[in-house]
Amino acid sequence: GENVEQHPSTLSVQEGDSAVIKCTYSDSASNYFPWYKQELGKRPQLIIDIRSNVGEKKDQRIAVTLNKTAKHFSLHITETQPEDSAVYFCAASKRDSSASKIIFGSGTRLSIRP
Amino acid sequence: ETGVTQTPRHLVMGMTNKKSLKCEQHLGHNAMYWYKQSAKKPLELMFVYSLEERVENNSVPSRFSPECPNSSHLFLHLHTLQPEDSALYLCASSPAASYNEQFFGPGTRLTVL
Repeated sequence: GENVEQHPSTLSVQEGDSAVIKCTYSDSASNYFPWYKQELGKRPQLIIDIRSNVGEKKDQRIAVTLNKTAKHFSLHITETQPEDSAVYFCAASKRDSSASKIIFGSGTRLSIRP
Repeated sequence: ETGVTQTPRHLVMGMTNKKSLKCEQHLGHNAMYWYKQSAKKPLELMFVYSLEERVENNSVPSRFSPECPNSSHLFLHLHTLQPEDSALYLCASSPAASYNEQFFGPGTRLTVL
C-alpha cells in the first residue's frame, strides 16, 4: 500500500548546526508535501509545505526540497536553536475527487544540544 | 488558539463503557479528520469527512464510530474499547481536501482500563 518513510527517527545536533530530515513516498500521484512540528505536549502545526510544481521552498531558517523523480523530499533547518527541539512529521497528499489521501511519516525527534 | 477545540481533554474509561469525543472547529472549514497518535504509530489517520460525508475510513475497528452532523462538529463514539486503544486522539480540519494545511485540535488523552 501507499506509505511514507521518514529518517532518521531521532536526531541530535549542536545548537547552531544544521539538521536534515528525509522522507520518501510511494504514490507517484502525490502532489502536496507538508511538514508539521509537534512540540512536547502540544498539537502538530504546519511549518512549511511544498507542492509538486516547485523543487524548493524556503522560509527563513527552514527549507524543503522535493525530487519528484526519486519520490523524496527533505526538510532542512539551518542555524538550529533550542526552540527547534520537537518531533517533525512529513506527509504526502494528493488532490482527487474526495477529501484526501494524506499519509504521515513516522516522525523525527529532533534534539538541539546547547 | 487554532480555532479547533476538543472535549474532553482527558478520558479514562473501562472496556465496557460507551463514551464520545467531541471536536468543534470555528474556521469555516469543510473537511474534518480524526487521528490516533500513539508510540507505535505517531500519526495514524482514522476518518475523513468532507462536507459532512465520510470519504475515508482507514480500516478502523467498528468499536470506533464517527459522526459528523455538520461541517463544524465531529464526534467519535467509543464502545467496548481495548487497552491498546489508549492513545491521544487528535481532531483536525482543513479548508477542503488534504491538499491544504490541516489545523489540529489539542487532542483527547484516552486511557482504557
